[in-house]
Amino acid sequence: DIQLTQSPSFLSASVGDRVTVTCRASQGISSSLAWYQQKPGKAPKLLIYDASTLQTGVPSRFSGSESGTELTLTISSLQPEDFATYYCQQLYSYPLTFGGGTKVEIK
Amino acid sequence: EVQLVESGGGLVQPGGSLRLSCAASGFTFSDYYMDWVRQVPGKGLEWVGRIRNQAYIYTKEYDASVKGRFTISRDDSENSLYLQMNSLRTEDTAVYYCVRAGLTTKYALDVWGQGTTVTVSS
Repeated sequence: DIQLTQSPSFLSASVGDRVTVTCRASQGISSSLAWYQQKPGKAPKLLIYDASTLQTGVPSRFSGSESGTELTLTISSLQPEDFATYYCQQLYSYPLTFGGGTKVEIK
Repeated sequence: EVQLVESGGGLVQPGGSLRLSCAASGFTFSDYYMDWVRQVPGKGLEWVGRIRNQAYIYTKEYDASVKGRFTISRDDSENSLYLQMNSLRTEDTAVYYCVRAGLTTKYALDVWGQGTTVTVSS
């Protein structure tokens, strides 16, 4: 199984900050990675797929990139509505697996 | 409106069975792969399994933690997805989400239901 190690598990940031979340895969996944945002009591929402393609309707302050087995979600300027938990998921091989999540809280 | 609505959750004793349903609307259900994902309250997301569409003969994939106990099925004529859960364990307690694997998103999970809660306890 492919393991996804997400870091940090928690971060505290202010509105306007640039925020980076990292997801490290245990083996190559050929860009087959998605990022989701989940707010308390709600279902997750797809933000990015194919490592760097923004889902329709997602603000352009969200972006994704990859370097080898390290994949990154960046929020260029954190907005109040972005405080949430973020998960990565690999879609390269079964079983599909999620990272452990990164909770972004208000500093 | 594209929508997924789960039902069938509840309280069940260890060793028992439960069948979850998911009603899809607003899109051509038969075209899509469909997944189940679960989440223990306060914890992370866990992928449960997938059923492909008719073009792929409704083949299925499961996580090892549920393989042999859970069965995913679908009825395209009813626009419905199912999760039959047998031999339930306390560790199966979670919110279960019905999820669509997008055709234009490289099968990333683009539509989620609101979830249904399963509690396994004596």
